[in-house]
Amino acid sequence: DQQVKQNSPSLSVQEGRISILNCDYTNSMFDYFLWYKKYPAEGPTFLISISSIKDKNEDGRFTVFLNKSAKHLSLHIVPSQPGDSAVYFCAASGAAGNNRKLIWGLGTSLAVNP
Amino acid sequence: DTEVTQTPKHLVMGMTNKKSLKCEQHMGHRAMYWYKQKAKKPPELMFVYSYEKLSINESVPSRFSPECPNSSLLNLHLHALQPEDSALYLCASSQLLKRIGDTQYFGPGTRLTVL
Repeated sequence: DQQVKQNSPSLSVQEGRISILNCDYTNSMFDYFLWYKKYPAEGPTFLISISSIKDKNEDGRFTVFLNKSAKHLSLHIVPSQPGDSAVYFCAASGAAGNNRKLIWGLGTSLAVNP
Repeated sequence: DTEVTQTPKHLVMGMTNKKSLKCEQHMGHRAMYWYKQKAKKPPELMFVYSYEKLSINESVPSRFSPECPNSSLLNLHLHALQPEDSALYLCASSQLLKRIGDTQYFGPGTRLTVL
């Protein structure tokens, strides 16, 4: 059972436009959410995180929005740049038991076209 | 500085070989992790160390043997691997193990091929 779902396997965006990557989760015990970016044959790079006590966190061109009632989060990249082309993983965790582990989505491959 | 280093970058080994993967971090993190990642899949947790002690083993076969000699180093000893063990092996670290989902910083990985 996929507790963290990234329903779009791929996304293509023009340079300079906004990229919106979506993530849904089913476990109401999750209270911490992260986005990682991954280039081929490299380790994931931490991008941005958000705690469930917030609904928005911003870091430069990256903003993560959390809608707890909908169990949905999104990553906005604006403006998108060709170097942003990578696979983006959403991950979530909770505070206790098996929920403490990072549960990963399957990733969304973003292509930013010049 | 959020750097985690891993050596070697690539490793090819036969099924009867013994080899080791190494990971190092100098961020003062006290939790370190081994993950395995296959193409187009998310990372799969293998082991977690907290304060140099093994905290979690995700039912990993005994042909993978982790070791944490000190707070900065993490090794993964490999013996009698199978071709299906070929994957990208990732090391990560985080400040503490309050929760495994704390922000983890990943190394570049070792691309392992088992012939």
